[in-house]
Amino acid sequence: SQKIEQNSEALNIQEGKTATLTCNYTNYSPAYLQWYRQDPGRGPVFLLLIRENEKEKRKERLKVTFDTTLKQSLFHITASQPADSATYLCALLPIYGQNFVFGPGTRLSVLP
Amino acid sequence: SQTIHQWPATLVQPVGSPLSLECTVEGTSNPNLYWYRQAAGRGLQLLFYSVGIGQISSEVPQNLSASRPQDRQFILSSKKLLLSDSGFYLCAWDRGRTDTQYFGPGTRLTVL
Repeated sequence: SQKIEQNSEALNIQEGKTATLTCNYTNYSPAYLQWYRQDPGRGPVFLLLIRENEKEKRKERLKVTFDTTLKQSLFHITASQPADSATYLCALLPIYGQNFVFGPGTRLSVLP
Repeated sequence: SQTIHQWPATLVQPVGSPLSLECTVEGTSNPNLYWYRQAAGRGLQLLFYSVGIGQISSEVPQNLSASRPQDRQFILSSKKLLLSDSGFYLCAWDRGRTDTQYFGPGTRLTVL
């Protein structure tokens, strides 16, 4: 069956360290993969999009990698800050799909 | 600039009562519109999407329905709510299949 998994429900890291979040998928052939940030009680906010033929994308302190062989995307936040604490969702668009499919999310807590 | 509105922000309804949630988008025309539900600690489940007025696609069979009476208005309804309908309902829009999705602030629905 098709599945999207994000490494853990919750991740705690120390301020200043690099946070690495994982998105693994099974039985999908994604054309695109997106990462969103969601704060409690709010709607998700788009962060980055990466295409299947791209290996890496960067935006300020954020970096996304996409490995179609491993069927995995990694999302990195360097020099993390307490303000980065939120839930991060990955979403993929299957090549022949109509809509993006979302993973369950990882709740990141950056401790001061 | 574009904005998306949802109301109400919170709603507590008894089992068996009707439901109507409204979403409107400003600052764009002919958007794709989406309704998602997010259960506690879970990912986003796509309920309905619409590519134009009167055009509704359902992703999950349930006792909910959606309508798009105007280009930038999307309504989620139910004739009789179930306990399992409780959750965080999010409306979103985009300009195309591979585009970024922009989410509204959400409606927290509790069915008692």
